[in-house]
Amino acid sequence: NAGVTQTPKFQVLKTGQSMTLQCAQDMNHNSMYWYRQDPGMGLRLIYYSASEGTTDKGEVPNGYNVSRLNKREFSLRLESAAPSQTSVYFCASTMVDDSPLHFGNGTRLTVT
Amino acid sequence: GIQVEQSPPDLILQEGANSTLRCNFSDSVNNLQWFHQNPWGQLINLFYIPSGTKQNGRLSATTVATERYSLLYISSSQTTDSGVYFCAVERTGGFKTIFGAGTRLFVKA
Repeated sequence: NAGVTQTPKFQVLKTGQSMTLQCAQDMNHNSMYWYRQDPGMGLRLIYYSASEGTTDKGEVPNGYNVSRLNKREFSLRLESAAPSQTSVYFCASTMVDDSPLHFGNGTRLTVT
Repeated sequence: GIQVEQSPPDLILQEGANSTLRCNFSDSVNNLQWFHQNPWGQLINLFYIPSGTKQNGRLSATTVATERYSLLYISSSQTTDSGVYFCAVERTGGFKTIFGAGTRLFVKA
């Protein structure tokens, strides 16, 4: 049972480049989330998907787009990367809104 | 939006000591979770505890929802307990789980 899988683990981009972070879960969870974690800080919610076919903004959505491709997969896209988007990105999932969150191992992104 | 405050921000313990971490939140919540982020960056769910008390080995947690706080107790601390402990809450009626800034714990051998 792999749980929540994120790819890639590491990525370096130049300012203005685009990329998509991939996330997949095999636990048949309904809700999925993208967070970012900056040094010395807690996690901030970027976007979430309460169920397949729906997405909503979190605390810090600017500069990002998401796609809930199917029940298993939830991707995060940076259209034009900026140095302020240098961070560690975590994907998480949960069965319903009153059950524990399960996290992937993160993607460390550096934008130069 | 809901505010989540954790204290203390940093804590250094001698191995074997006990500690209490606190999480205060500003609104009624559907759920509250405690996570441990290990030195490799992995986030592990310790407790899902919207109210009441739970125990898991040397760790226990208590949430008093009516007074809007939760406590995480670590007894007989070990060096492997080092890392950052996060409290995360979901406001009643919402899907957004919001994190506090964390308590950074270092346990000395």
